Amino acid sequence: DAGVIQSPRHEVTEMGQEVTLRCKPISGHDYLFWYRQTMMRGLELLIYFNNNVPIDDSGMPEDRFSAKMPNASFSTLKIQPSEPRDSAVYFCASSYRQGLEDIQYFGAGTRLSVL
Amino acid sequence: GENVEQHPSTLSVQEGDSAVIKCTYSDSASNYFPWYKQELGKGPQLIIDIRSNVGEKKDQRIAVTLNKTAKHFSLHITETQPEDSAVYFCAATHRYGQNFVFGPGTRLSVLP
Repeated sequence: DAGVIQSPRHEVTEMGQEVTLRCKPISGHDYLFWYRQTMMRGLELLIYFNNNVPIDDSGMPEDRFSAKMPNASFSTLKIQPSEPRDSAVYFCASSYRQGLEDIQYFGAGTRLSVL
Repeated sequence: GENVEQHPSTLSVQEGDSAVIKCTYSDSASNYFPWYKQELGKGPQLIIDIRSNVGEKKDQRIAVTLNKTAKHFSLHITETQPEDSAVYFCAATHRYGQNFVFGPGTRLSVLP
């Protein structure tokens, strides 16, 4: 498997524009996670899905953020409208059960810059 | 909720020396503790993990120890090499499918 695939790798946009980040999880994984990484706050979980259903979105910072998982092989994270403070690296991760624990596999991330 | 602290935030060692990174957690119900390594421009990758019913686990040059009573766990890297230079994150969780709570990270530099 090619691993978790995220696109685009880099995104530069202007404040107020809509941004859509994409993720393809590893085939067979039933959990998908969206994280945001910044120097100030480290790795923060935004939302996670189980079998395409959102389970916990308490980490989503504002209503400007939304995430969908229309099928087992695709998820999007949308920011509308974007603001400079949304600049960060966004990671998608997927996981499966191994015994009683998860192993999360991360994508390479999308570096978002909002000007 | 769970809170994970990690120390030190930066660590420099000479090649061949050992490196130790320590984490503490707050939720006594946590029972799974993975360690992730993040290289520049890449996503975090699992390098080793430990379950609450085990006190120590080793994989070649890396090992992890867990003290459930004190609620802390540590990553040990022996015979460090320049390619070990990266940011290391610890994490804790206690529910399958529940989100990990990550520590703030340790930037390890191995000097040749």
